[in-house]
Amino acid sequence: KQEVTQIPAALSVPEGENLVLNCSFTDSAIYNLQWFRQDPGKGLTSLLLIQSSQREQTSGRLNASLDKSSGRSTLYIAASQPGDSATYLCAVRGSASSASKIIFGSGTRLSIRP
Amino acid sequence: NAGVTQTPKFRILKIGQSMTLQCTQDMNHNYMYWYRQDPGMGLKLIYYSVGAGITDKGEVPNGYNVSRSTTEDFPLRLELAAPSQTSVYFCASSDGTAADNEQFFGPGTRLTVL
Repeated sequence: KQEVTQIPAALSVPEGENLVLNCSFTDSAIYNLQWFRQDPGKGLTSLLLIQSSQREQTSGRLNASLDKSSGRSTLYIAASQPGDSATYLCAVRGSASSASKIIFGSGTRLSIRP
Repeated sequence: NAGVTQTPKFRILKIGQSMTLQCTQDMNHNYMYWYRQDPGMGLKLIYYSVGAGITDKGEVPNGYNVSRSTTEDFPLRLELAAPSQTSVYFCASSDGTAADNEQFFGPGTRLTVL
């Protein structure tokens, strides 16, 4: 059974630092992995999606990497800003068509101190 | 496009009451999903649909029912509300014909059962 873990559960860093959020999964047979941002009391906003055949994706100050063999993905945030404060979730899809095989991690709550 | 919309935003129910959470998407997506998110946790899949007239159970379907009579709408029904159903409910949709099948989320419905 696929399990997705995000450690740490919470992280606080000063503004301007580069940081890495981690996501690990137990079954390497994934179709894709998606990173989301969730602001308090809000829904999920998709940040980056990496297909299983890809190694990384970039959007602005965000870079997500995927290493299927080790069951890991990282979300790198460059030059962090207070507006980056949110909870970041990763989700793994097990196959192209099976909606039942989408597993979420419990998230990392990120706080950027001004 | 409005994307994925959900109503109501908030609701308080008494034990044993019933209600329907509404979800509509205007992106002509064939896949739709219902998740619940408990405090400090990731999302768990309740039910999903791969097209009008087709629904299937996710990880935590007990106590819920769904229907998919149109492509746009995917309501979630609670028949006998229980305190264990206190949670935030998210609806999502995706284009199952797209290579990445990326999910798009609604803003959520915060439900409290007392």
